[in-house]
Amino acid sequence: IQLTQSPSSLSASVGDRVTITCRASQGISSYLAWYQQSPGKAPKLLIYAAYTLQSGVPSRFSGSGSGTDFTLTISSLQPEDFATYYCQQLNSYPWTFGQGTKVEIK
Amino acid sequence: QLQLQESGPGLVKPSETLSLTCSVSGGSISNYFWSWIRQPPGEGLEWIGYISYSGSTNYNPSLKSRVTISVDTSKNQFSLKLNSVTAADTAVYYCVRCTSSWFGLDVWGQGTTVTVSS
Repeated sequence: IQLTQSPSSLSASVGDRVTITCRASQGISSYLAWYQQSPGKAPKLLIYAAYTLQSGVPSRFSGSGSGTDFTLTISSLQPEDFATYYCQQLNSYPWTFGQGTKVEIK
Repeated sequence: QLQLQESGPGLVKPSETLSLTCSVSGGSISNYFWSWIRQPPGEGLEWIGYISYSGSTNYNPSLKSRVTISVDTSKNQFSLKLNSVTAADTAVYYCVRCTSSWFGLDVWGQGTTVTVSS
C-alpha cells in the first residue's frame, strides 16, 4: 500500500495552523499512525488509530480520517514542532510509510 | 520506563552480513511485537520486519530473502541479520516496539548508523 503525503514541505510561522494530508492507495480502515522526527533523533509516535493521541503528546496535535484519506493538524505551531512528519499504515503487510512532510520556519 | 538500545558494528563490508542487537530494558520483551526500521541518509523510513515474543516473524518482501530477525527472551534482546549487503543498505537502523498494529510503533531506540563500505 502506497502512502502519499502532501505537501512534501511547508513553511509556517509560530502560532500557525498546519494541516498535512496522507492518502493511501487503498483502504486501510483506521490503521494509520503519525510520527514526528526532529533532526538527528528517532521518530516519535504522535497519533495512532488515525485520531488517538499518544500519551504525553500535546493536544494541539490531532488526527482525522479513515479509509484512504487522513489528516494531521497542528492547531498552533510551536518552535519545537519544526520537524519532519511521517504517516504509516499498519493495515496490511508490508507496513509502509509516507515520504514525509518537512515543516520549516517561515 | 522502557528503553531500547541498538548495538553492533558501524561498518560492514559489501557482500557481508549486517548484525545488530536490540537490548530491551525497563520492561519485558514478552507480549509485544519487536520491529526493525531503517532510514538511509536523507531519506524516509522503511519497515524491515518484526518478530513477536513467541518467535513468529513477518518481513518486508523487498528484503525477505536477506533478512532474519530473532528473539532471545532470556536476555530480553532481539536481533537483526541482513546478509549480502550493498551500499544501498547504508542507513540508520532503529529497533522499535509495537503493542499491536492498532497502536503503532510506540517505543523507539535511538538508532545506530551502519555504513556499508570496503
